[in-house]
Amino acid sequence: GENVEQHPSTLSVQEGDSAVIKCTYSDSASNYFPWYKQELGKRPQLIIDIRSNVGEKKDQRIAVTLNKTAKHFSLHITETQPEDSAVYFCAASIRGSQGNLIFGKGTKLSVKP
Amino acid sequence: DAGVIQSPRHEVTEMGQEVTLRCKPISGHNSLFWYRQTMMRGLELLIYFNNNVPIDDSGMPEDRFSAKMPNASFSTLKIQPSEPRDSAVYFCASSLPGTLNTEAFFGQGTRLTVV
Repeated sequence: GENVEQHPSTLSVQEGDSAVIKCTYSDSASNYFPWYKQELGKRPQLIIDIRSNVGEKKDQRIAVTLNKTAKHFSLHITETQPEDSAVYFCAASIRGSQGNLIFGKGTKLSVKP
Repeated sequence: DAGVIQSPRHEVTEMGQEVTLRCKPISGHNSLFWYRQTMMRGLELLIYFNNNVPIDDSGMPEDRFSAKMPNASFSTLKIQPSEPRDSAVYFCASSLPGTLNTEAFFGQGTRLTVV
């Protein structure tokens, strides 16, 4: 089955700096790669996703890139703000079928003011 | 729609007792997932259903864990007997795969403490 590896497990940046979180996956059939943000004590919520027919997607300060050949994808947050502090999870699945979401173990991002 | 609804929000039970967690998915969603979250292991997929049928239960840790989905609007995750190492936050999520909008929506979770 699918296996998703996520790095780093913790990341600390200064406000205004950029943050990058990287994930790799094992199943070449995976074609849907969402990123979730989980604030302390709350549920994970989708912030951005990318499908295998797209190499990059951007939404304001966040962007995701996908390299299907290498089977890795990354989350980029620019101009970080204290409210970006949270745990971020990447995931992979086979959409269009009975695809399940397999998550990485998460990255705890701390943005210092 | 009120989103995915889980109950109870918090559960404290003694070791050896039976625990039942409940989930109501978003109306119209035909995939339902149960996840367990711990500091050590992150978000683990326990089981998922498609059209009320269990598709993959390979993540269920032991025979003490069982899940059912008797209809499209209700699912349960049962632990019998419970053990302290089962303490975690259990999330239920639902989605509608195969469409353009494939986001998985999570419930607020059930924080289980087994003492």
